[in-house]
Amino acid sequence: EDQVTQSPEALRLQEGESSSLNCSYTVSGLRGLFWYRQDPGKGPEFLFTLYSAGEEKEKERLKATLTKKESFLHITAPKPEDSATYLCAVLASGGGADGLTFGKGTHLIIQP
Amino acid sequence: GAGVSQSPSNKVTEKGKDVELRCDPISGHTALYWYRQSLGQGLEFLIYFQGNSAPDKSGLPSDRFSAERTGGSVSTLTIQRTQQEDSAVYLCASSLTSGGAGYEQYFGPGTRLTVT
Repeated sequence: EDQVTQSPEALRLQEGESSSLNCSYTVSGLRGLFWYRQDPGKGPEFLFTLYSAGEEKEKERLKATLTKKESFLHITAPKPEDSATYLCAVLASGGGADGLTFGKGTHLIIQP
Repeated sequence: GAGVSQSPSNKVTEKGKDVELRCDPISGHTALYWYRQSLGQGLEFLIYFQGNSAPDKSGLPSDRFSAERTGGSVSTLTIQRTQQEDSAVYLCASSLTSGGAGYEQYFGPGTRLTVT
């Protein structure tokens, strides 16, 4: 069974204090690993897709990296508007369904 | 361009009643997905459509849940004889394809279902 575990569950940072969120996964075969941002009362917003170990992608203050067992979302010099829940999901290669398996997310709070 | 839209945004229903939730995917997206997000739980995959067909329905929680998609576009998720445990946010997503590059899923705002 595919599993995704995110840590920490919650993280409170001061504005400008860089940190990393972790996503550990177990899948039969990885077709893609996805990062989403979710604000309260809204649907998840797509951030990145990573396909193979060693791949990195960046967007503004966010950088996502991937190894064979985990992914990190690095947040550099965060601002209060980066406060949100960050979700990690995997798409496995086995089976017929193309649904994503999600972790429970990391609730990030950036204090001014 | 327009994103994924869902209606209604909120639905309150009595236990035992049937409800229909609607999803309009991004134009041109061939794949459509339904998920459920319960309080304190992660997103749970329910079903996906490639075109009008649903290759795998095993994610649906019970036989009270059904979904259809017509014309390769709009989809409806129906819950019959609703129970209190059905209370959740139901999210719809669409992607350009269901395999290979282009299967990034884009989500709608969700329908919050409350069963009283």
